[in-house]
Amino acid sequence: EDQVTQSPEALRLQEGESSSLNCSYTVSGLRGLFWYRQDPGKGPEFLFTLYSAGEEKEKERLKATLTKKESFLHITAPKPEDSATYLCAVQAPSGYALNFGKGTSLLVTP
Amino acid sequence: SQTIHQWPATLVQPVGSPLSLECTVEGTSNPNLYWYRQAAGRGLQLLFYSVGIGQISSEVPQNLSASRPQDRQFILSSKKLLLSDSGFYLCACGTDSNQPQHFGDGTRLSIL
Repeated sequence: EDQVTQSPEALRLQEGESSSLNCSYTVSGLRGLFWYRQDPGKGPEFLFTLYSAGEEKEKERLKATLTKKESFLHITAPKPEDSATYLCAVQAPSGYALNFGKGTSLLVTP
Repeated sequence: SQTIHQWPATLVQPVGSPLSLECTVEGTSNPNLYWYRQAAGRGLQLLFYSVGIGQISSEVPQNLSASRPQDRQFILSSKKLLLSDSGFYLCACGTDSNQPQHFGDGTRLSIL
């Protein structure tokens, strides 16, 4: 069965303290791995898509990387506005469903 | 880019009452449409998806149903709500199956 596990469940950082979030996955034939940001009471906001091992994507202070078993979301010098829940999802072999992890709740304090 | 509208934003319903949640999409044509539920402490769970008008696929057996009467309209319904139907319901749309899905801002459903 396809599984997506995110760690840690929660992370508290000081402003400027860089760190990484992990997304481990088991899926037969990865068709895409997606990172989303979700603010409280809102729908997930798309950040990145990664398709093959070795691929990297960057946006402002965020950088996503992909290996054959996991993906990392690196946050460099975070700011309080980066506080949110970050979700990872993999494309199921059926081609339509996204299998989501439970997310990492990030809090960045001034 | 596409915009996904969901309403209402919050809803409180008694057990046994009916439900109708609506999702409409702008800025795209012939999208794939999805209904997800997000429960506390759990990841998003896909409930239904649709690749065209009148075409509905269900991912999990449940007390809910979905319909797609128009290309950019997706409706989630129930005849009789259960306590276990409480949650945050999200509508999403996408184009090709390996492209990202984009989400609306959801409906928070509480069952009393």
